[in-house]
Amino acid sequence: DQQVKQNSPSLSVQEGRISILNCDYTNSMFDYFLWYKKYPAEGPTFLISISSIKDKNEDGRFTVFLNKSAKHLSLHIVPSQPGDSAVYFCAASVNQFYFGTGTSLTVIP
Amino acid sequence: GAGVSQSPRYKVAKRGQDVALRCDPISGHVSLFWYQQALGQGPEFLTYFQNEAQLDKSGLPSDRFFAERPEGSVSTLKIQRTQQEDSAVYLCASSLGGASPLHFGNGTRLTVT
Repeated sequence: DQQVKQNSPSLSVQEGRISILNCDYTNSMFDYFLWYKKYPAEGPTFLISISSIKDKNEDGRFTVFLNKSAKHLSLHIVPSQPGDSAVYFCAASVNQFYFGTGTSLTVIP
Repeated sequence: GAGVSQSPRYKVAKRGQDVALRCDPISGHVSLFWYQQALGQGPEFLTYFQNEAQLDKSGLPSDRFFAERPEGSVSTLKIQRTQQEDSAVYLCASSLGGASPLHFGNGTRLTVT
């Protein structure tokens, strides 16, 4: 039973524009949420996280938004760059970490 | 090294062989996780250690899978009598524990022929 879902397998965005990646979860006990970026043949790399007591966390071009009532998480990348092209996984945690299936982002130069 | 190190990077095993996958976590990280990632999927939880204690092994798919971390540092994931459905990338991750992020190694790609 998938507790963390990423319903968009892929996304294409023009360089310089905003990329918005979405994630939904079902378990209201999750208290910590993360986004990871993955290049081929490498392990996922941690990008940004947010605690359930917050609704926004920003780090440079990356912002994560948490809507607890909707059980929805999003990652905004502004401005998008070609080097951002990768697969992005969202994850949620209570004791252990649960991952979504990933969204493949392509930033077009 | 500064990151999580996994070996081997690639492993080909004949069906029925036993394999052992090694993970060297980041120094000082008390928590260690093993995940299995199939093609086009997200990482799926296998098991979790805090120091040398295996606190959760609910994700291990069968009793052919066994993990240990005897001294609270290096961990080994062992798969006995490998089957074709065991073919996947096995990821190891470590963290400081609590609400801190997982740091992943580059994984071991296991192919069972």
